[in-house]
This record gives sequence, C-alpha cells and structure tokens, in this order.
Amino acid sequence: AQTVTQSQPEMSVQEAETVTLSCTYDTSESDYYLFWYKQPPSRQMILVIRQEAYKQQNATENRFSVNFQKAAKSFSLKISDSQLGDAAMYFCAYRSTGGNYGGSQGNLIFGKGTKLSVKP
Amino acid sequence: NAGVTQTPKFRVLKTGQSMTLLCAQDMNHEYMYWYRQDPGMGLRLIHYSVGEGTTAKGEVPDGYNVSRLKKQNFLLGLESAAPSQTSVYFCASRRQGARTYEQYFGPGTRLTVT
Repeated sequence: AQTVTQSQPEMSVQEAETVTLSCTYDTSESDYYLFWYKQPPSRQMILVIRQEAYKQQNATENRFSVNFQKAAKSFSLKISDSQLGDAAMYFCAYRSTGGNYGGSQGNLIFGKGTKLSVKP
Repeated sequence: NAGVTQTPKFRVLKTGQSMTLLCAQDMNHEYMYWYRQDPGMGLRLIHYSVGEGTTAKGEVPDGYNVSRLKKQNFLLGLESAAPSQTSVYFCASRRQGARTYEQYFGPGTRLTVT
C-alpha cells in the first residue's frame, strides 16, 4: 500500500521569504500523480499544484514550485515571496493511475499535513 | 455552477443518534468520495462511488453507510453515532478517467458527537 509522509508538523516563514515543505512517499508503482493541497482556516481544500510522475520537469504555478525526485520518492513544495494569505495547512497527496482506475487505485492518499505560519 | 456542496455545515449529535450527510455536485462527475479529517491525521477515505448505484469501502468505513441513488448525490449515513465519529467530513468528486487528476472538494461538515 502507498503511504505519504510529511515530517514537518509546523513551519514558519517571514513574509516575502521562501519556505520549503517536505513530503516523501512510498510506492512500487511507476505511474502516478502527486499533489499539494492548501487548507486555509475556512477549511476549503484548494489544489495548489500537481506533478505527473512520468514528467521529469518540475511543476510550477506562479510562486509555487515543486522539487520532484522520483528515485528518492520525494516531493517538496517551495513557496517563494511568501504572503500572509499563504498561511494554512498544506497536504501532500498521492494518486495512482495504474490498474483499475475506477477502483481504489484512483483515490487520493494524504499525508498528515504541515501547518504553515507567515510572520509579517 | 455551485461545484460540490454539503449539507449541513455543522451538526451536534448525541451518542446513539443517527443522521445523514448530503453531498451534491453539479459537474456531472462519475466519481464521488467521502473523507474524514481528524487533528493530526490528514484526510482519510471512508467510502467512495464510481457511478450511480455503486459504492465501495475506503480506509475507515466502519460505522458508516453510503448510498448513490442519483449521479449527482452521495449520502453518508451514521446509524448510531459514537464520540469517535466527531470529525470534519469532506465530500469530493471527479471526472472519470485515469488521467483526470483533480478532485473537487466540498466545504466540509463539522460533526460533534457528545
């Protein structure tokens, strides 16, 4: 079974600086997706960025980028020019694409989350 | 286009009471999911459905039942609530397909069982 580990329960960053959140995962599959979700105090789950395992290029969305190391099974999120609105829980998630993707392989497996605080 | 909606947003139950949480989506998505979120645990899958009339168990299904009588609705039932079911419940949906990556989440329901 796949697992996702976020080893940093809490992180803090100064406004305008850069912070990196860590995520590692365990899988025997070669084809899968990885995601970072943001959950602000409103509770809404917001997709921040996604990475397809077969793509070597790291995904980027504006101030958010990932460092995807497939061999090391590592998927970190870098937030540049941090803003007060970035303060939230961040969840790393894994999803398989193989086999019966109508079944459980298509479901998201979440890490326990990292709480990010942004200091003004 | 409301996306994914959940009813109710908050609820307090006494131990042994029953209730049903309703999830509705207007995106014509085939797949729907129910998760629970507990402090320090992330989101865990309770049940899911790959189409109207079909349901399957996820990681933590005990104490819950689900039904998908209509494609747009996915109901989560608690027949006899227990304090261990105090949690925030999220519904999500997505389009069918292995390369369809995004799950759309509802706003969540905070349930307290006393």
